[in-house]
Amino acid sequence: GQQLNQSPQSMFIQEGEDVSMNCTSSSIFNTWLWYKQEPGEGPVLLIALYKAGELTSNGRLTAQFGITRKDSFLNISASIPSDVGIYFCAGQLSNNDMRFGAGTRLTVKP
Amino acid sequence: SQTIHQWPATLVQPVGSPLSLECTVEGTSNPNLYWYRQAAGRGLQLLFYSVGIGQISSEVPQNLSASRPQDRQFILSSKKLLLSDSGFYLCAWSIRSGYGYTFGSGTRLTVV
Repeated sequence: GQQLNQSPQSMFIQEGEDVSMNCTSSSIFNTWLWYKQEPGEGPVLLIALYKAGELTSNGRLTAQFGITRKDSFLNISASIPSDVGIYFCAGQLSNNDMRFGAGTRLTVKP
Repeated sequence: SQTIHQWPATLVQPVGSPLSLECTVEGTSNPNLYWYRQAAGRGLQLLFYSVGIGQISSEVPQNLSASRPQDRQFILSSKKLLLSDSGFYLCAWSIRSGYGYTFGSGTRLTVV
């Protein structure tokens, strides 16, 4: 019930294409976060969302906090090779209860 | 600015040996601290979190323990490692609950 379902599990795209991934849950979250992890490194925060309906951009990245507070999506426009990595969504249920999705592995072909 | 340091970066340990991974945060006071484990190709599993010195909460029963001897120091330990303890261990901090976490660079532990 409190799990995050992140999809797709993996994506293979051509450089220049747009990317979309999302996380859904049956639970209501107070905060949604999107992270990117490169091989052998810790995840790095890309975008944080704190209000239902909030739409936030960070360069070519755009993320939204679903109006129902049960979902969030991340879009990457005009992908480039350095976008390769694993993208994780994370949702905060309550104090110190942060849940992570299983990740979306992105491969960008030049 | 705040920084988080985690070491060692890689570790190969025999089964039954002890473990100590250290994490320190600089540039902030009284951070929330977290230990996560990531199995190969999988998501992040919360192991322990701490909201203050000496305050440790465990999320899953396991062969590991955590301690916070100082405000900005978080240690992950084991008395006897198991093969199943292999994985990528990540320390993280946040200014308070509900805010984004900042992760360390991780420790790749291989138990042989």
